[in-house]
Amino acid sequence: GNSVTQMEGPVTLSEEAFLTINCTYTATGYPSLFWYVQYPGEGLQLLLKATKADDKGSNKGFEATYRKETTSFHLEKGSVQVSDSAVYFCALSERYSSASKIIFGSGTRLSIRP
Amino acid sequence: DVKVTQSSRYLVKRTGEKVFLECVQDMDHENMFWYRQDPGLGLRLIYFSYDVKMKEKGDIPEGYSVSREKKERFSLILESASTNQTSMYLCASSLTGRLNEKLFFGSGTQLSVL
Repeated sequence: GNSVTQMEGPVTLSEEAFLTINCTYTATGYPSLFWYVQYPGEGLQLLLKATKADDKGSNKGFEATYRKETTSFHLEKGSVQVSDSAVYFCALSERYSSASKIIFGSGTRLSIRP
Repeated sequence: DVKVTQSSRYLVKRTGEKVFLECVQDMDHENMFWYRQDPGLGLRLIYFSYDVKMKEKGDIPEGYSVSREKKERFSLILESASTNQTSMYLCASSLTGRLNEKLFFGSGTQLSVL
C-alpha cells in the first residue's frame, strides 16, 4: 500500500541555519503531497501542499517540490528561527472508499537553538 | 476559520472502562476522522466518516467504534479501555474529501489508561 517515509529526528539546528527534512513516498496513482506542522501544545495544521509533479508548495519561508522521478517531497527552509521549533509531518492523500484519506509519516521533531 | 473542538484535553481512565471522546466541527464539513498519535509512529487512522451515520474503518480500528448521528459531531468510543490505548487522539475534518484537500485538526485528547 501507499506509505510515507521521513527522516528520523530529533533535528537540532542553530538559528539562521539551513533546514532540510527528507520525505519519500510510495504511491499508486497521483496523490497530493502535504507537510503538516504541530507546534507545542497545538493541533496539526497544514504548512504547504503540492498536487502534481513538479509543483512547488511554499509557506512561511518553507518550500517543498513534488518530485515524481525520485518520489520525494523534501522540506527546506533557508534560515530557520526559534519559532520554527515543532514536529513536522510529511503526508500524502489516497482515494479510500467514498472519500480520501491522508497517510502520515512518523514525524520529525525540530529544535532550533537561539 | 474552521474550528474543530475536542471535548477534553486530558483524560485518565481505568482498564475496562467505556470511554467516549467527542469531536465537533463548526463548518459543515462532510468528512471527519479519528487518528491516534504515538511517538515514532506518526498518525494512524482509526475510523473516518464521510456522511451522517456512515463510517469506514481505517488502519487500526480494533478496540474502537464510532458514532456520527449529526453532521457536526463525531464520537470515538473505546468499548473496554486497555493500557495499550494510552495515546494522543486527534480529530480532524475536511470539506468534501477531494484528494488535494487539507485536514483541519483539533488540539487533541491525551488519554491515559491505568
